[in-house]
Amino acid sequence: AQSVSQHNHHVILSEAASLELGCNYSYGGTVNLFWYVQYPGQHLQLLLKYFSGDPLVKGIKGFEAEFIKSKFSFNLRKPSVQWSDTAEYFCAVNARSGGSYIPTFGRGTSLIVHP
Amino acid sequence: DGGITQSPKYLFRKEGQNVTLSCEQNLNHDAMYWYRQDPGQGLRLIYYSQIVNDFQKGDIAEGYSVSREKKESFPLTVTSAQKNPTAFYLCASSIRTGGNTDTQYFGPGTRLTVL
Repeated sequence: AQSVSQHNHHVILSEAASLELGCNYSYGGTVNLFWYVQYPGQHLQLLLKYFSGDPLVKGIKGFEAEFIKSKFSFNLRKPSVQWSDTAEYFCAVNARSGGSYIPTFGRGTSLIVHP
Repeated sequence: DGGITQSPKYLFRKEGQNVTLSCEQNLNHDAMYWYRQDPGQGLRLIYYSQIVNDFQKGDIAEGYSVSREKKESFPLTVTSAQKNPTAFYLCASSIRTGGNTDTQYFGPGTRLTVL
């Protein structure tokens, strides 16, 4: 079965600091990778996703992620965080299970950005 | 507006009682999912459904049951057999389950507390 590891459970930054959240997955076949974000009091929503092509993917609000196949990684980055980026971030993988692609989520990273 | 609604937002039940959580979507999505979110454990898949009258167990289906009688509705019953039912429950949908690139759309969640 596939699994997703997020290495940072809690991250605290000051505004304008750079952010990198790690995500590694274990699955040998074709995968499609997602980052979702849950802002305080809001629904979980898509931040960005990768399924083919350029391994550097750009998402909303200045976030980007790089798919490195050889490292089974899909790390999320932002050059300069803002207070409004305070949220919980989830990495997810859609991998084949039987005849379907079933999502598996990581444990999440709680990001707090101090103004 | 299209989206997913879950009701109620907060639910309290006595130990030993079954309780049903509602999930409705008007996105015309084929696939629907139920997740359980616990602090530090991310999202864990309980059940998913690809089409009406069909559903599959996820990673933690024990103590839960579902039905999919209508495309737009996917209620989850937390039975008395679930040993630790207090949690935050999220419902999601996607255009189809077989689609490996499909984004999931989430509802606002129901927080269940068993006293």
